[in-house]
Amino acid sequence: KAGVTQTPRYLIKTRGQQVTLSCSPISGHRSVSWYQQTPGQGLQFLFEYFSETQRNKGNFPGRFSGRQFSNSRSEMNVSTLELGDSALYLCASSASGLAGVHEQFFGPGTRLTVL
Amino acid sequence: AQSVTQLDSQVPVFEEAPVELRCNYSSSVSVYLFWYVQYPNQGLQLLLKYLSGSTLVESINGFEAEFNKSQTSFHLRKPSVHISDTAEYFCAVSGRGSGGSNYKLTFGKGTLLTVNP
Repeated sequence: KAGVTQTPRYLIKTRGQQVTLSCSPISGHRSVSWYQQTPGQGLQFLFEYFSETQRNKGNFPGRFSGRQFSNSRSEMNVSTLELGDSALYLCASSASGLAGVHEQFFGPGTRLTVL
Repeated sequence: AQSVTQLDSQVPVFEEAPVELRCNYSSSVSVYLFWYVQYPNQGLQLLLKYLSGSTLVESINGFEAEFNKSQTSFHLRKPSVHISDTAEYFCAVSGRGSGGSNYKLTFGKGTLLTVNP
């Protein structure tokens, strides 16, 4: 089985712009979660989607949003980028809807740099 | 709310030495506990997990962790490390929060294990 794929792998944007990141889960997985990883804050949960519905959400401002499509692929969008949004954004998929119970399979991440 | 504290941000050891990576958590509800590993330039991989049952859990590559409810800890150990174990290790906890929210993972800030020859 192919693993979790994320596109693009690297992205450079300027402040004020918006960005869309894409994640394709492992075939058959219906749960997709997104995390932000930074040296200072570590891994922080953004949101989780299951069957096109947001099941859980972390403590991020409304500039961060996401969605899931009927084929389980997911996108996250960050509007009005700030310098502090520079991070590695990780996507993870799991077979069930309970990301906090079942093993999550992580993609390689998208490295976003905001200038 | 739940939180995870990994007491050491970096742990340097020599090859074949034993190692312990410490993890403490806080939660007001029952928890599930995980250790994930991130090798350089790769995504995270599940190393081992505690859901219920035996408090000692093992991974296929020689790591083990013990759930200690009274001390709210889930320390990771390996009796003899290899250079290939060099990676960042993340402890994570999930638990049903108040208000009926679903399980979600809270990660510690990670411990960088460096194994030197």
